[in-house]
Amino acid sequence: ETGVTQSPTHLIKTRGQQVTLRCSSQSGHNTVSWYQQALGQGPQFIFQYYREEENGRGNFPPRFSGLQFPNYSSELNVNALELDDSALYLCASSVQGAPDTQYFGPGTRLTVL
Amino acid sequence: ELKVEQNPLFLSMQEGKNYTIYCNYSTTSDRLYWYRQDPGKSLESLFVLLSNGAVKQEGRLMASLDTKARLSTLHITAAVHDLSATYFCAAASSNDYKLSFGAGTTVTVRA
Repeated sequence: ETGVTQSPTHLIKTRGQQVTLRCSSQSGHNTVSWYQQALGQGPQFIFQYYREEENGRGNFPPRFSGLQFPNYSSELNVNALELDDSALYLCASSVQGAPDTQYFGPGTRLTVL
Repeated sequence: ELKVEQNPLFLSMQEGKNYTIYCNYSTTSDRLYWYRQDPGKSLESLFVLLSNGAVKQEGRLMASLDTKARLSTLHITAAVHDLSATYFCAAASSNDYKLSFGAGTTVTVRA
């Protein structure tokens, strides 16, 4: 198992609500990336955080936002939830500049009703 | 934009036989990753390939990278039931931080 943890494990929300997902990096890792994996598909990059700032973003609307804290943990916030937001949300921590250090957490399964 | 294609998408393997999964990517990439995912679980890192000609092996799995052909392969030797899972490849370029994933290859190993 990796040292990356995520909470909660599962979450059920209704359309229009807001949700916050959390990720704790593996010890020594300073970069966190978030991915969305819809059922039966490959993960899609949402954004990455390094030194508490967004370091790149995929094709996701502004209602997807994030934070990184001084201890390198991170949050993913999604506002105005839509049915299509139902997915497995994965965070991956790594050391900036060391591509072979990236490890994924167990994921949060979000269901939007 | 870096695009990654895997084939086949579904692979039914017979125990004891050898198979190959192919991963093509569209633009220059200097990092190629292979992951395994069991149903309802996260991604388990299998291999990271960082240079042309790189070959890595772990047990019955061997991965290789040909950056000139923009192709990586995952070879499975003498398939066993425990290898049933979905396998993803992902690529990234040196000036990009995000991983672009293929659609995945769902492997089922039958007796």
